[in-house]
Amino acid sequence: EPEVTQTPSHQVTQMGQEVILRCVPISNHLYFYWYRQILGQKVEFLVSFYNNEISEKSEIFDDQFSVERPDGSNFTLKIRSTKLEDSAMYFCASNWDRKKLFFGSGTQLSVL
Amino acid sequence: DQQVKQNSPSLSVQEGRISILNCDYTNSMFDYFLWYKKYPAEGPTFLISISSIKDKNEDGRFTVFLNKSAKHLSLHIVPSQPGDSAVYFCAASEGADGLTFGKGTHLIIQP
Repeated sequence: EPEVTQTPSHQVTQMGQEVILRCVPISNHLYFYWYRQILGQKVEFLVSFYNNEISEKSEIFDDQFSVERPDGSNFTLKIRSTKLEDSAMYFCASNWDRKKLFFGSGTQLSVL
Repeated sequence: DQQVKQNSPSLSVQEGRISILNCDYTNSMFDYFLWYKKYPAEGPTFLISISSIKDKNEDGRFTVFLNKSAKHLSLHIVPSQPGDSAVYFCAASEGADGLTFGKGTHLIIQP
C-alpha cells in the first residue's frame, strides 16, 4: 500500500539553525500538508499546498517557515532560524480529495 | 480557542465491551468529520469519516454518530480488541480548509 514517507525520523539542532524536513507524498496525490504536535498537545495544522503554491496556512506558519516542492516528488518544510518552541513532531500528509488525509510517521525535531 | 474538543484524555475499557469516544465542536460551519487513530512513534491513520448530511456511518466494528444540533460526534468500537489501544483524534473541516484536530483520547483496552 502506498504511504507517505518522511526523513529523517529524528532531527536534533541548535537554536538559531536552519532545518529542512523532507517528505515524499503518495504519488498521485494533489494536496500536501504539514502538521505538528508538541508533546502532550493536539495535532496542529501548519500549511497546505496545492498546484505549487500555498493554499492555506495557520498563524503558526510565520515568516520563519517555508515549504517547497522542488522536484515533483519531494515536499519540504524549512524552518529558517529554529527556536526552542519549534521542538515537536512534524507530520507530512497528502491526499487527492482534501478530505481523507494520509500521514507520514513524522519527524521528531528537538531544538537545543 | 478549541474548536474541536475531546474532553476525556483517557478511557479504559474491558476487552469485548463497547468503547465510546466523544467529541464536541463549536464551529457550525464544519461539514466533514473524521476519526484518526495514532500509535506511539507513528503518524495518525484514518479510521472513519462522516459528512454533515449524515448522522451515522458504519465500517465493521467502527460506527461514527453525528448529532449536529448538539455539535457532538462519537465513535463506537464494538467489540473492543487489544489492538484498539491507541490515541484517537477527532478532526473536522469546513469546505476545503485544513483539518482541525481535538487533543485526543487515549483508549486503553484491558484484558
